[in-house]
Amino acid sequence: GIQVEQSPPDLILQEGANSTLRCNFSDSVNNLQWFHQNPWGQLINLFYIPSGTKQNGRLSATTVATERYSLLYISSSQTTDSGVYFCAVNKLTFGTGTQLKVEL
Amino acid sequence: DSGVTQTPKHLITATGQRVTLRCSPRSGDLSVYWYQQSLDQGLQFLIHYYNGEERAKGNILERFSAQQFPDLHSELNLSSLELGDSALYFCASSVGRERYEQYFGPGTRLTVT
Repeated sequence: GIQVEQSPPDLILQEGANSTLRCNFSDSVNNLQWFHQNPWGQLINLFYIPSGTKQNGRLSATTVATERYSLLYISSSQTTDSGVYFCAVNKLTFGTGTQLKVEL
Repeated sequence: DSGVTQTPKHLITATGQRVTLRCSPRSGDLSVYWYQQSLDQGLQFLIHYYNGEERAKGNILERFSAQQFPDLHSELNLSSLELGDSALYFCASSVGRERYEQYFGPGTRLTVT
């Protein structure tokens, strides 16, 4: 089956910093979503982005399907951004996530 | 709030028992998906139903079964429970059969003692 790799596995930021999370996948995709799992376990939809670029406030995402990767940008990070960020493809196959901690 | 509801939120039971988890999809969504999140296996796809019919199976054990009812709610039945079945079980829904955004419920946290 398709493999999904995310990097970095862990990230610690100071509040206000910017970051880029990467998702690589091993085969073509027809679905790609980014999720944030908050410390209470809730999975929150960030983007549905099988291709192209989208922005939502301080977050944006880009998927280059032909090169089999997607990027999630977080700007001006806040402590509430802490949690695990997952990329998931197709039906869905999840990556192992990026654990983000934003400190004051 | 995603619009997907799951009950119960928490469930504690003993090994060998059987439990049923319930999911109601968002209004208008025909697809329901079940996922298991455990510490050692991460988030794994279990099974997908579309409009009452099974569409795909993932890493679902034979001790587990699911169904989607005419009103589109779904139930995941877990039997002969083992300690390793302790996990967070998520339900998700989407409008279409294959290529649509999935919305996740809050999950059911199952603890097997």
